[in-house]
Amino acid sequence: DIQMTQSPSSLSASVGDRVTITCRASQTVRRYLNWYQQKLGKAPKVLIYAASSLQSGVPSRFSGSGSGTDFTLTISNLQPEDFATYYCQQSFSNPRTFGQGTKLEI
Amino acid sequence: QVQLQESGPGLVKPSETLSLTCTVSGGSVSSGSYYWSWIRQPPGKGLEWIGYIYYSESTYYNPSLESRVTISVDTSKNQFSLKLTSVTAADTAVYYCAREDSSSSDDYLDYWGQGTLVTVSS
Repeated sequence: DIQMTQSPSSLSASVGDRVTITCRASQTVRRYLNWYQQKLGKAPKVLIYAASSLQSGVPSRFSGSGSGTDFTLTISNLQPEDFATYYCQQSFSNPRTFGQGTKLEI
Repeated sequence: QVQLQESGPGLVKPSETLSLTCTVSGGSVSSGSYYWSWIRQPPGKGLEWIGYIYYSESTYYNPSLESRVTISVDTSKNQFSLKLTSVTAADTAVYYCAREDSSSSDDYLDYWGQGTLVTVSS
């Protein structure tokens, strides 16, 4: 299985800040890396797919980059609704695997 | 708009079989462009991928669960289902059904159900 490791596990920030979350794969996933946002009690929602493609309807303050084993999710100009838990996921091979999550707190 | 909705018992006894159904609207479970998936999340923990079915009969399961899992499709009802046998308290989780879009070869989970909590307890 490909192990996905996110850092940090939690992060405190303020409205208007720019934050970066990192995801590292234990072996290459090429660009098959997706980012999801999960709010408390809700299903995850895809933000970024294929490492850097913005899902339709997602604000442009979210961006993704990387390839191979190292990826980042950047959120610019944090808004109150962005405080949530973020997960990376590889879809390069089976079984699909998720990172452990990064909780973004105020 | 594609919508998915999980249904099934919220309480299952240890050693019994957990059975959930996902009803899909706005899309067809027969479509070869999508993988119909199950993911679970124990309370307060992260996401675990269980497996998927595609082309109505091809499946792939997480090896950690493979001996206990079956995913199947009912095309007449546009539903897909999850069965997990011999459950223990460790199987207590919110279970999500989701669609993985592979139509453009990017492969990501674009639609999710709201999730259903299944508790394993006597």
